[in-house]
Amino acid sequence: GENVEQHPSTLSVQEGDSAVIKCTYSDSASNYFPWYKQELGKRPQLIIDIRSNVGEKKDQRIAVTLNKTAKHFSLHITETQPEDSAVYFCAALRGYNTDKLIFGTGTRLQVFP
Amino acid sequence: GAVVSQHPSWVICKSGTSVKIECRSLDFQATTMFWYRQFPKQSLMLMATSNEGSKATYEQGVEKDKFLINHASLTLSTLTVTSAHPEDSSFYICSARTGNNSPLHFGNGTRLTVT
Repeated sequence: GENVEQHPSTLSVQEGDSAVIKCTYSDSASNYFPWYKQELGKRPQLIIDIRSNVGEKKDQRIAVTLNKTAKHFSLHITETQPEDSAVYFCAALRGYNTDKLIFGTGTRLQVFP
Repeated sequence: GAVVSQHPSWVICKSGTSVKIECRSLDFQATTMFWYRQFPKQSLMLMATSNEGSKATYEQGVEKDKFLINHASLTLSTLTVTSAHPEDSSFYICSARTGNNSPLHFGNGTRLTVT
């Protein structure tokens, strides 16, 4: 089955700096890769996603890159702000024609003012 | 946008009792809903896939007789934790998709504490 690894587990940056979180997946059939932001005690919120037919997607300060050959994808946050502080989860859609999202282990991002 | 509503948001129960958690899709029909469990400072672990009108599909290691799932309509799935024990204390989150190529939307989650 699909296995998603994520690192780092914690990341501290100064406000204004960039943050990068990386994930690898095992199932070469996976074709959908979302990123979720979860604040303490709240539901995960989708912040960006990418499909296997593109290599990069950007939405304002957030971007995701995908390398299907190497089976890894990354989240890039530029000009970080204190409100970006949260736990970020990557995920991969497992297998063909299934809807089961498998999540990475999470990255706790802290942005210091 | 698509909204998934989950109820209750938190519940405290005694060991040995059962707890029912409801997950509703408010403005769309969901033939499939997913139940996740999240322990403190851990990731979301898929428990089961709830299928409208048929039996749920459970992930390996999840006891189907303990975590009863009913998906009786296109907008409602329920998860019942039977004979709850303290180790069942966790954050339970349901989710659904509006279509095959749409993102997964999460409910607010239910924090279960078993005393």
